[in-house]
Amino acid sequence: SQQGEEDPQALSIQEGENATMNCSYKTSINNLQWYRQNSGRGLVHLILIRSNEREKHSGRLRVTLDTSKKSSSLLITASRAADTASYFCATDASDYKLSFGAGTTVTVRA
Amino acid sequence: DAGVIQSPRHEVTEMGQEVTLRCKPISGHNSLFWYRQTMMRGLELLIYFNNNVPIDDSGMPEDRFSAKMPNASFSTLKIQPSEPRDSAVYFCASSFGTQDTQYFGPGTRLTVL
Repeated sequence: SQQGEEDPQALSIQEGENATMNCSYKTSINNLQWYRQNSGRGLVHLILIRSNEREKHSGRLRVTLDTSKKSSSLLITASRAADTASYFCATDASDYKLSFGAGTTVTVRA
Repeated sequence: DAGVIQSPRHEVTEMGQEVTLRCKPISGHNSLFWYRQTMMRGLELLIYFNNNVPIDDSGMPEDRFSAKMPNASFSTLKIQPSEPRDSAVYFCASSFGTQDTQYFGPGTRLTVL
C-alpha cells in the first residue's frame, strides 16, 4: 500500500504560472522526498525535507512540510515547458525503504 | 559517474520466454532497489538489497521472479517464464543508505507478447 498520496492527480497550467501539488501520508516519517519523472525516463530526485524542517527551497522549487497534518506541498514557480512531468512524493515508510505515491502529472502549456 | 546503468532499454519477448534485466548501480552505493511501474499499480518495490544481500523480497510477484546481486556492481532481475501481465517498465535504483536519495536508472521497458 502507498504511504504517500499526491493531490491533484493531474494539473495543467500556462507557462509562467505557479504549480502546487500536495502529498499526504499516514505514519510518522524521518524525511520526505520529492522526485520528478519525465516521460519515458527514470525518477530524478528533486529535494529532501527532514521532519524537523518546515520549509525548503531549491531554485524554483519550494517544499513545505506540516508533520501535524502529515502533509507536504511542492510549489514550482514560474513554470516552464520543461517542467512538464510527473511528480512523486516518497516517505521513509519503514527502516529500509521509501514508499512512493501515485504521482501528480503536470502539463505546462506554452 | 555515469549514474545507474540498466540494460536492455527495451525488451520484447514472447510469453514463456526467460527475460533477464541487468543493473549496474552507482559505485559506492550500498543499497539497490528493483521497481516495477505500470499505469494500473504505479511504482512498486520488488526487492531491496543492502551490501549485496537481499533484505526484503516481499514485493516480488511470484516465484517466476528472481533477483541476484553477485557483487557490489551488478544485479539481475530474471523472469522465467514471462507472461503478458509482466509487461511494464522495470527500474533499478541505488543509494548510499537505505533511506537516502535514490538514483534511478533509465528503466527497461518490457513487453511480453
